[in-house]
Amino acid sequence: EPEVTQTPSHQVTQMGQEVILRCVPISNHLYFYWYRQILGQKVEFLVSFYNNEISEKSEIFDDQFSVERPDGSNFTLKIRSTKLEDSAMYFCASSDTGRYTFGSGTRLTVV
Amino acid sequence: QKEVEQDPGPLSVPEGAIVSLNCTYSNSAFQYFMWYRQYSRKGPELLMYTYSSGNKEDGRFTAQVDKSSKYISLFIRDSQPSDSATYLCAMSAINNNDMRFGAGTRLTVKP
Repeated sequence: EPEVTQTPSHQVTQMGQEVILRCVPISNHLYFYWYRQILGQKVEFLVSFYNNEISEKSEIFDDQFSVERPDGSNFTLKIRSTKLEDSAMYFCASSDTGRYTFGSGTRLTVV
Repeated sequence: QKEVEQDPGPLSVPEGAIVSLNCTYSNSAFQYFMWYRQYSRKGPELLMYTYSSGNKEDGRFTAQVDKSSKYISLFIRDSQPSDSATYLCAMSAINNNDMRFGAGTRLTVKP
């Protein structure tokens, strides 16, 4: 069964550093998403991406965040100047007909 | 009022019990209703996907949507210890590209 692949599985970074989280969506999907889940809290929508541009974004997704599809297969989330409160699981998802498939997530720890 | 409300539990039942999980929502534009299962430190896994109102059955799982009451349910029959996980309801509107999650209900099925 097709999978959404995320790398790395765990990223530790110092406060103030920039991180790039990587995702390989399912190849024939057209919509891509990033979600965040702070430990013990709900899964929160960050951003959706379609046709090489952002289609929706939440209030969480401010200027600190950016997304990119640098080639035909990868979908990245960049977090600039990381803060302690950015520590969370970050999930990538892709969909075709509204059925989302999630990756296993990247655990980001900001120290 | 939160857009999607879900009792976080925890919920503990004996093996073989029928489990009932519920969510309410406030946005009448929601048309797609999903249930996800999430194991610890893993990404959400799609269990059930329903469009508009009605029932859907898949093995031991039954999803119900009552749009008039803005209420959705997931029933698990003959629950097994392997069903122990967090169950997340999620929903989205037609032509919207962001899916909103409930807080998730942590379920434990005891042998």
